Amino acid sequence: DVKVTQSSRYLVKRTGEKVFLECVQDMDHENMFWYRQDPGLGLRLIYFSYDVKMKEKGDIPEGYSVSREKKERFSLILESASTNQTSMYLCAGQTGRNSNQPQHFGDGTRLSIL
Amino acid sequence: QQQVKQSPQSLIVQKGGISIINCAYENTAFDYFPWYQQFPGKGPALLIAIRPDVSEKKEGRFTISFNKSAKQFSLHIMDSQPGDSATYFCAALNNNAGNMLTFGGGTRLMVKP
Repeated sequence: DVKVTQSSRYLVKRTGEKVFLECVQDMDHENMFWYRQDPGLGLRLIYFSYDVKMKEKGDIPEGYSVSREKKERFSLILESASTNQTSMYLCAGQTGRNSNQPQHFGDGTRLSIL
Repeated sequence: QQQVKQSPQSLIVQKGGISIINCAYENTAFDYFPWYQQFPGKGPALLIAIRPDVSEKKEGRFTISFNKSAKQFSLHIMDSQPGDSATYFCAALNNNAGNMLTFGGGTRLMVKP
């Protein structure tokens, strides 16, 4: 069965800290995505990656960076956390370049920045 | 500014009733429209999807209706069950512009027993 695993369900950090959110998929998917989910705003794409060492900006990349050193792992980095980055973060994987393939989501990391 | 507008934000339906969630979009280049279902504590999962060359797609109790001229599409859940209680997201994609899904704001559905 398809599995996308996010390393933490809940995380509390302080303003100014560097924060790493980790995501691992076991489906050999080429494509991986990071979203944030906020009430009333749905899911907004932060960054995505088509392949190892490749990254593309989504709709709201400001304040974030990503790393994809291995195919199965896609990390989201908050360089200097701010309170407006308190949110639910969702990672997803998708097979191939066919956009119509479903995205498979992890269960999310609820991040609080104090 | 959201490119895909979803309504209502929340919906309460009695068991056995019909749940209807509506979405509207502006970008006429969108050519794939999936719906995702999210249970509490879980990530979203693909429920059903439609392409604009058909006006309706049905899978079990779930139906997407698509109106290309009005740039609107909707999800109908027939014979709604308490187990359908979840948050539903519509989304849209332009296949010629990569794999970027644009999501609506979500609808929290509660089906009362």
